[in-house]
Amino acid sequence: NAGVTQTPKFQVLKTGQSMTLQCAQDMNHEYMSWYRQDPGMGLRLIHYSVGAGITDQGEVPNGYNVSRSTTEDFPLRLLSAAPSQTSVYFCASRRPGGSSYEQYFGPGTRLTVT
Amino acid sequence: LAKTTQPISMDSYEGQEVNITCSHNNIATNDYITWYQQFPSQGPRFIIQGYKTKVTNEVASLFIPADRKSSTLSLPRVSLSDTAVYYCLVGDPLTDKLIFGTGTRLQVFP
Repeated sequence: NAGVTQTPKFQVLKTGQSMTLQCAQDMNHEYMSWYRQDPGMGLRLIHYSVGAGITDQGEVPNGYNVSRSTTEDFPLRLLSAAPSQTSVYFCASRRPGGSSYEQYFGPGTRLTVT
Repeated sequence: LAKTTQPISMDSYEGQEVNITCSHNNIATNDYITWYQQFPSQGPRFIIQGYKTKVTNEVASLFIPADRKSSTLSLPRVSLSDTAVYYCLVGDPLTDKLIFGTGTRLQVFP
């Protein structure tokens, strides 16, 4: 049981490039989400999904796209990278239904845009 | 989503009990209170969740007064390894997305 995995761990992009951050979980969690964390700051929600085929925007969705074709995977696409998107990106998943807010986080992807 | 307010930072010494209070004046009837811990360069980790009164697990206790407008995370006998940022979140797990605030940076000294 690997939990939540993210690839790559580190990435450097030039302004204007696009890329996809990968996130996968093997816990059969329906709820998945993406956060970004700038240095010394709290986490901000980018996009989230309550199940395959369903996605919604979080606090800071501009410049990012998501899709959810399977329960296991929730990739985050940067359309045209900007220096302001330099951050650490965390993916998380949560058990379906119930009354728990216990979310499991991946190890993060450290992205630098030059 | 109810907004939360917590101290920016706190200092403590090893062996002491640490209490971090979170204010959430606009908490709704279906909202739960959840606390996360984050170490540097790691994703946040769930600590504890509660709805009312007191909840205790092997890591911490959560005290919630009757009006539920605030909550207190209690860490008994902290050690250096408890140095981290602690986040208080409020929301309805069935419908809400999880929104993190700025958190409380706890520094434990020897």
